[in-house]
Amino acid sequence: QSVLTHPPSASGTPGQRVTISCSGSSSNIGSNTVNWYQQLPGTAPKVLIYSNNQRPSGVPDRFSGSKSGTSASLAISGLQSEDEADYYCAAWDDSLNGYVFGTGTKVTVL
Amino acid sequence: EVQLVESGGGLVQPGGSLRLSCAASGFTFSNYWMNWVRQAPGKGLEWVANIQQDGSEKYYVDSVKGRFTISRDNAKNSLYLQMNSLRAEDTAVYYCARERSYGHGFDYWGQGTLVTVSS
Repeated sequence: QSVLTHPPSASGTPGQRVTISCSGSSSNIGSNTVNWYQQLPGTAPKVLIYSNNQRPSGVPDRFSGSKSGTSASLAISGLQSEDEADYYCAAWDDSLNGYVFGTGTKVTVL
Repeated sequence: EVQLVESGGGLVQPGGSLRLSCAASGFTFSNYWMNWVRQAPGKGLEWVANIQQDGSEKYYVDSVKGRFTISRDNAKNSLYLQMNSLRAEDTAVYYCARERSYGHGFDYWGQGTLVTVSS
């Protein structure tokens, strides 16, 4: 049940800034915290941002998150080749009583 | 070091059953909500179910309600997913994930176990 929407793809050259949006509703992003996950090819997802804008230890400060109303965004500054991955937002949904993920955005480094 | 190791995946016929396990280590298992998340081949992530620390509260995605049962054994530091009446659309890699705190997302993931439902 992908009720959070992302653009399917985003791209940039090394060093550029890329922003990925995540659109939800009042029952998910509007009332709960947003988390972002990075999934490198062939690997399990890894948390990148939690509680809207917090970075776990070990995640470079090139990654930042923000939330406003029923939308959230992930920004990657100083894009690097190792950032090529799929990125997903997620939040708890109070109406569905479950987590909902975004549709996923594939980031390509040109 | 937190580790989550899934097992139990494999090939099963439509209508069949399978039980997945997740062995946890490196943290106090009984202090955390735990989850199952799946990913169909070439598709995005889909949350499947979660369970409260003592097993008293459980939630499921609509598509598996009545067919899947999440459970845990805190004495064995293990999480389980009993999957019955399996369908082709249940084919996916199933990940075990620790919940940071209730409703606040997942901070650790296992490597996943593949379930293939096919005749």
